[in-house]
Amino acid sequence: AQRVTQPEKLLSVFKGAPVELKCNYSYSGSPELFWYVQYSRQRLQLLLRHISRESIKGFTADLNKGETSFHLKKPFAQEEDSAMYYCALEASGSRLTFGEGTQLTVNP
Amino acid sequence: DGGITQSPKYLFRKEGQNVTLSCEQNLNHDAMYWYRQDPGQGLRLIYYSQIVNDFQKGDIAEGYSVSREKKESFPLTVTSAQKNPTAFYLCASSPSRGLAYEQYFGPGTRLTVT
Repeated sequence: AQRVTQPEKLLSVFKGAPVELKCNYSYSGSPELFWYVQYSRQRLQLLLRHISRESIKGFTADLNKGETSFHLKKPFAQEEDSAMYYCALEASGSRLTFGEGTQLTVNP
Repeated sequence: DGGITQSPKYLFRKEGQNVTLSCEQNLNHDAMYWYRQDPGQGLRLIYYSQIVNDFQKGDIAEGYSVSREKKESFPLTVTSAQKNPTAFYLCASSPSRGLAYEQYFGPGTRLTVT
């Protein structure tokens, strides 16, 4: 069975500092991986997906199959990045398995 | 916001009562999902449906039931058999089965059972 682990429940950084939100997964096949974000009083929404290899709002994520990781990174954090971030894995049949989430706070 | 709606936003029920949560979408999506969101546990899949008149159990289906009689609607019933029903419930939809499709989420329903 697939599993997604986000080891940090809370992460706090200062504005302008680099930020990395960790995500590790276990799955024997070839996964599709996503980062979803939930800003305060907003709906959960897609931030980025591995298959698109895109940078959204300055965030990037690289799939490392050797380390089974999909960490989310941003070189210079902004206050508006404060949110709950979820890593998710799609194994098959369109269902997602989510991690526990990391609450990111960017301090001024 | 449109697209996918959930009602009501807050719901209160007495223990022992069944309660049905509404989820409607006008995105013409084939697939719909129900998740439960608890602090520190992320989102856990309750049920999902990839096509009308068909649905599958997720990871925590016990004590819940669903129906998918129309493409745009996927109601969730929380039965009295659910041992810990107080939670935040999220509905989502996606364009099709297959890989790497974005899921679109509703605003959620917070259910409190006392």
